[in-house]
Amino acid sequence: NAGVTQTPKFRVLKTGQSMTLLCAQDMNHEYMYWYRQDPGMGLRLIHYSVGEGTTAKGEVPDGYNVSRLKKQNFLLGLESAAPSQTSVYFCASSSVQNIQYFGAGTRLSVL
Amino acid sequence: AQKVTQAQTEISVVEKEDVTLDCVYETRDTTYYLFWYKQPPSGELVFLIRRNSFDEQNEISGRYSWNFQKSTSSFNFTITASQVVDSAVYFCALSEESGANSKLTFGKGITLSVRP
Repeated sequence: NAGVTQTPKFRVLKTGQSMTLLCAQDMNHEYMYWYRQDPGMGLRLIHYSVGEGTTAKGEVPDGYNVSRLKKQNFLLGLESAAPSQTSVYFCASSSVQNIQYFGAGTRLSVL
Repeated sequence: AQKVTQAQTEISVVEKEDVTLDCVYETRDTTYYLFWYKQPPSGELVFLIRRNSFDEQNEISGRYSWNFQKSTSSFNFTITASQVVDSAVYFCALSEESGANSKLTFGKGITLSVRP
């Protein structure tokens, strides 16, 4: 049972570099989300998608872009990484029942 | 705007003790959903429970129980006879809608340490 799979699990970037985080779900869920988790801050929503081809901004969208070209995939991009984007990133998906299921997380360090 | 407050940041108990994790929420909606998630040291987030605002019945699942009180806007989580495997960060979360707009607002989490 794969559920929600995030790639990669760890990444170290230099300031100004770009990268894409991939989230894949095999539960045929309509809705997908990207969160970041920082110490003492809980999880904060970056962007989300309510269906293939649609995306919307969450609470902390600046510095990130997303795309949902296929229903099962939700990509999070950092065009020019900054040290403030050092965080653990979680992807989640849900159906209309609105229980979100999470991936294992991606630990990103920006030096 | 919706808000979730988990005033306890860290709790440490000895195995077999009971422990209650507090969650207080704010919302202007009459329809909303409350959640608890567990994040063990391995890092993944595990769904524990969802409760909608129209169902105030308490729920018990094994050693876990949840007390939902709309009058005090609280959704507290009790672990009975705690075990070392219960050591984790526990998040309470709130969603004001279901379906396409079911965005979760999380509390900052409570770190529970259960000592042998």
